[in-house]
Amino acid sequence: DAKTTQPPSMDCAEGRAANLPCNHSTISGNEYVYWYRQIHSQGPQYIIHGLKNNETNEMASLIITEDRKSSTLILPHATLRDTAVYYCIVSSGSARQLTFGSGTQLTVLP
Amino acid sequence: NAGVTQTPKFQVLKTGQSMTLQCAQDMNHNSMYWYRQDPGMGLRLIYYSASEGTTDKGEVPNGYNVSRLNKREFSLRLESAAPSQTSVYFCASSEMRLGTDTQYFGPGTRLTVL
Repeated sequence: DAKTTQPPSMDCAEGRAANLPCNHSTISGNEYVYWYRQIHSQGPQYIIHGLKNNETNEMASLIITEDRKSSTLILPHATLRDTAVYYCIVSSGSARQLTFGSGTQLTVLP
Repeated sequence: NAGVTQTPKFQVLKTGQSMTLQCAQDMNHNSMYWYRQDPGMGLRLIYYSASEGTTDKGEVPNGYNVSRLNKREFSLRLESAAPSQTSVYFCASSEMRLGTDTQYFGPGTRLTVL
C-alpha cells in the first residue's frame, strides 16, 4: 500500500471548517483513500473513502486532487467532539491490513 | 445494531497466564480482524479471517492464536501472556462492496500483563 504523509497536529476553531491534508504521491490506480479517526483511545471510526471523485457524507467531505497524489478531509462545522487523531490511509480493495500511520491530532478550540 | 462488540473491556494478567478475547459483529460481514495498538503507535494486524473457516497471519502473529467460531464471532487467545503483549486490542469486521473493503472497529480491550 502507498505511504501517506500528514501534519502531526492542527487546531481549528469551533464552528469553523477543519481542512485536514494528506499526501499520497505513490498511490496506485486501484488504491482508495480512506479516512478514519480515533477519539481518545477508542476504536478507530470510519469517516469516508474515495477513489478519484470527491465524496460527501453526513460526517465529512473528501476532496481528491486530479492526479490523486493528495487529498483533503473537510469537516464543515467542527465541534469539540471532533477533537481526535485523524488517519489518512491508502489501500486497495484486496489489501487486508489497514496501515495506520501517525495521523494528525486535530484539536477543536472553543 | 451494536456493530462490533468486544469483551472484556479491561483485563490484567500475570506473566504466563492465558486468556481469550472475544469479538462479535452483527453486520453479517464475511471478514474479521484483530489489531493491537501500543501507546503512541498505529494499529498493527495480528490475524484476520477472510471468511468463516479461514484464518491468516498478519504483521505480528507470534504469541497469539485465533478461532473463527462462526460468521459472527472471532476470538483471540493468548496462551502464555508476556509483558510485551500489554496493549489495546481492537477487533474489526468488513465486507467487500464495489471494490472497497471498509473496516469497522470495536471499542477495544485494554490488556495489562504484569
